[in-house]
Amino acid sequence: GAGVSQTPSNKVTEKGKYVELRCDPISGHTALYWYRQSLGQGPEFLIYFQGTGAADDSGLPNDRFFAVRPEGSVSTLKIQRTERGDSAVYLCASSLDGVAGANVLTFGAGSRLTVL
Amino acid sequence: GESVGLHLPTLSVQEGDNSIINCAYSNSASDYFIWYKQESGKGPQFIIDIRSNMDKRQGQRVTVLLNKTVKHLSLQIAATQPGDSAVYFCAETPGTYKYIFGTGTRLKVLA
Repeated sequence: GAGVSQTPSNKVTEKGKYVELRCDPISGHTALYWYRQSLGQGPEFLIYFQGTGAADDSGLPNDRFFAVRPEGSVSTLKIQRTERGDSAVYLCASSLDGVAGANVLTFGAGSRLTVL
Repeated sequence: GESVGLHLPTLSVQEGDNSIINCAYSNSASDYFIWYKQESGKGPQFIIDIRSNMDKRQGQRVTVLLNKTVKHLSLQIAATQPGDSAVYFCAETPGTYKYIFGTGTRLKVLA
């Protein structure tokens, strides 16, 4: 597509529920990133995919968070047993490849998650 | 959409004036830097980048200055317009895919 598409744009859920957030990157971009942005903060790195594999998931806060990218295109961020502290905007970005300084990240509009 | 950064540092400038937004980065090993603009309810949008072997780079109405000695980055916007109102983030990377973002500065353009 023309840009990075994220769905849903807004998600309200109850504490303890499971949520999935979807990212559709720019066609042909092999690198995909998930970031989390809390109110008043800059985006914080969660996970990076190069193709289908998670090359670096060191930013995932705990084992309730998991992400997949089975065909090297669309990615899903999955959060189990949601907690109020998970409330944030989850941003997805993609780039042609993961080489720093070669290709900038293009971000989607984000999925705003609110856990009640 | 949600307003990003309700408690961010704010810079207010008169329309038509020049704006300077500053950023102190953390990692002396960082060698690539980007400025992003984020409007309410939207994702960050690329403005301009600079590599560590440069100290200045110009784009359309924007200039980025890099001072590696004091680990400082600045974004200059010429003839600031109402459409420039947004939150501005600097991001750094030490030669990897992992970008570290600053906390951001809100720019308000006064008519």
